[in-house]
Amino acid sequence: EPEVTQTPSHQVTQMGQEVILRCVPISNHLYFYWYRQILGQKVEFLVSFYNNEISEKSEIFDDQFSVERPDGSNFTLKIRSTKLEDSAMYFCASSLGAGRNTIYFGEGSWLTVV
Amino acid sequence: GQNIDQPTEMTATEGAIVQINCTYQTSGFNGLFWYQQHAGEAPTFLSYNVLDGLEEKGRFSSFLSRSKGYSYLLLKELQMKDSASYLCAVRDPKAAGNKLTFGGGTRVLVKP
Repeated sequence: EPEVTQTPSHQVTQMGQEVILRCVPISNHLYFYWYRQILGQKVEFLVSFYNNEISEKSEIFDDQFSVERPDGSNFTLKIRSTKLEDSAMYFCASSLGAGRNTIYFGEGSWLTVV
Repeated sequence: GQNIDQPTEMTATEGAIVQINCTYQTSGFNGLFWYQQHAGEAPTFLSYNVLDGLEEKGRFSSFLSRSKGYSYLLLKELQMKDSASYLCAVRDPKAAGNKLTFGGGTRVLVKP
């Protein structure tokens, strides 16, 4: 069964450093997303991406965050200058379309900022 | 905005049935998802409701009442592996980006 894959599974970084989280969405999907989940808290929407541009972003997704689809398969989330409060599990997700199409999640990248 | 409420935790016995309720207050509605999440893992899709009524999928069923802003997930013949968090999520109809808003999740503990 096709799946969303993410790397790395776990990254520890120092505060202020840049981090890039990588994702390979399901191959025929057109919508891509990043969500995050701080330990013990809700899954929160960060950003959605369609047709090579951001279609929506949350208030969490400030200027420190950016997304890119550098080629036909990868979808990346960059955090320019990490803060302690960025420590969370980051989930990439994808869906074939909008509407009733199911959103499939990757296994997550656990980011620890020290 | 969206407000989604579900109980924090439930305990049930192997072989039994458990019903997890979810209520939502939203400015609009375009479908409700249920996901299962084991600790430290990704949410896994279970079911989707956009019209009123019951959707059945094996041991799992999900019900929706849009007029009441209410859904439930029914887990039958509980197995130990069903111990997990169950997340209710509502799709925002105004969102160009197909955004889901999640509830806090209900942790279900299945005991022998």
